Amino acid sequence: KAGVTQTPRYLIKTRGQQVTLSCSPISGHRSVSWYQQTPGQGLQFLFEYFSETQRNKGNFPGRFSGRQFSNSRSEMNVSTLELGDSALYLCASSLPGAGGYTFGSGTRLTVV
Amino acid sequence: AQSVTQLGSHVSVSEGALVLLRCNYSSSVPPYLFWYVQYPNQGLQLLLKYTTGATLVKGINGFEAEFKKSETSFHLTKPSAHMSDAAEYFCAVSDLGGNAGNMLTFGGGTRLMVKP
Repeated sequence: KAGVTQTPRYLIKTRGQQVTLSCSPISGHRSVSWYQQTPGQGLQFLFEYFSETQRNKGNFPGRFSGRQFSNSRSEMNVSTLELGDSALYLCASSLPGAGGYTFGSGTRLTVV
Repeated sequence: AQSVTQLGSHVSVSEGALVLLRCNYSSSVPPYLFWYVQYPNQGLQLLLKYTTGATLVKGINGFEAEFKKSETSFHLTKPSAHMSDAAEYFCAVSDLGGNAGNMLTFGGGTRLMVKP
């Protein structure tokens, strides 16, 4: 069965711009979470969506937002990009209440 | 608040030697514990997980981990390292579950190097 699909794989943006990343979960998975990975801060939780509702949120500024559609696909948006937003953004999906996520390959965002 | 500490950001072993990657956690409730592996330019792959039940958990690629509540540890082991095991390994904890959702807290990672 298909895994978690993230698009695009690579992205280069300029400071001040905004960006939208997409995530398609495994079929049947209704929980989608987003993580940011940087060399300095490691892996940090951004937010989790379940049935189109944000269920949990990490400690990130309001420039980071997300949403989930009725087919469980999710997008995250970062507005007014800063250099420090350069990172690998990982999406993961899981069954409700299950232990363990399946991660996508990530979107590598570079802000210049 | 939950937290995870991985002792040793870099571990080097010889091919065929024992692999031991250490993970200690703190959690206010019985945790779910995970080990993930990440190869260069890829996402995270689940190696194994502990939720409830047997404290010795077997995973993929010959890895296993033991949940020790008294020591708040969940160390990852493999009897014999292979060159293909070279990667970065992350321990993670979640004290949510069921209807409360999923949220993982990760350790800083351990880069495993395997020498021929």
